[in-house]
Amino acid sequence: AQKVTQAQTEISVVEKEDVTLDCVYETRDTTYYLFWYKQPPSGELVFLIRRNSFDEQNEISGRYSWNFQKSTSSFNFTITASQVVDSAVYFCALSDPGANSKLTFGKGITLSVRP
Amino acid sequence: DSGVTQTPKHLITATGQRVTLRCSPRSGDLSVYWYQQSLDQGLQFLIQYYNGEERAKGNILERFSAQQFPDLHSELNLSSLELGDSALYFCASSPHAQKHSGNTIYFGEGSWLTVV
Repeated sequence: AQKVTQAQTEISVVEKEDVTLDCVYETRDTTYYLFWYKQPPSGELVFLIRRNSFDEQNEISGRYSWNFQKSTSSFNFTITASQVVDSAVYFCALSDPGANSKLTFGKGITLSVRP
Repeated sequence: DSGVTQTPKHLITATGQRVTLRCSPRSGDLSVYWYQQSLDQGLQFLIQYYNGEERAKGNILERFSAQQFPDLHSELNLSSLELGDSALYFCASSPHAQKHSGNTIYFGEGSWLTVV
């Protein structure tokens, strides 16, 4: 069975600090996709990134960066120079194998960035 | 704005009642998904439709049902509502559902359901 573990439940940082959100996944599939979503206080789920299992290159998008390591089954997310607007719940998700692409989500990490 | 539209945004109803949540997917997307987010269960997959046909089923209660119409919009019907059904219900869409397509799934803003 697919599983996503986000061991950190709540993280609090001061603005401008760097913060890393951890994600560990379990799957028996050799081809899979990993995602990060952001859920701000308003409630919507915002797509941040998708990574396939064949691409272990790290990715950087502005202040966001992602570190995918198949050897440790991890897909960690780092926010550099955090801002108050980064305060949200962040979910890591794993695509389901087979003839559909539904997602299995982790429990989420609540990030609070204090001014 | 993800392009996925859900109505209503907020709904308060009594136990035993029935409600319908509506979703319009992104233009061109054939797959529609329904997820439930509650404090104790987190984000749970309920059901997926692809081009009008049920494609995958998750932890959806028998009191709940869904359908996708020819114009690709979808409705989630929740009946005999209980207090525990209070949750945020998300609709999401993706372009297609091939074998292990890994498509990005875009979520709507959700429908907040409160059962009193």
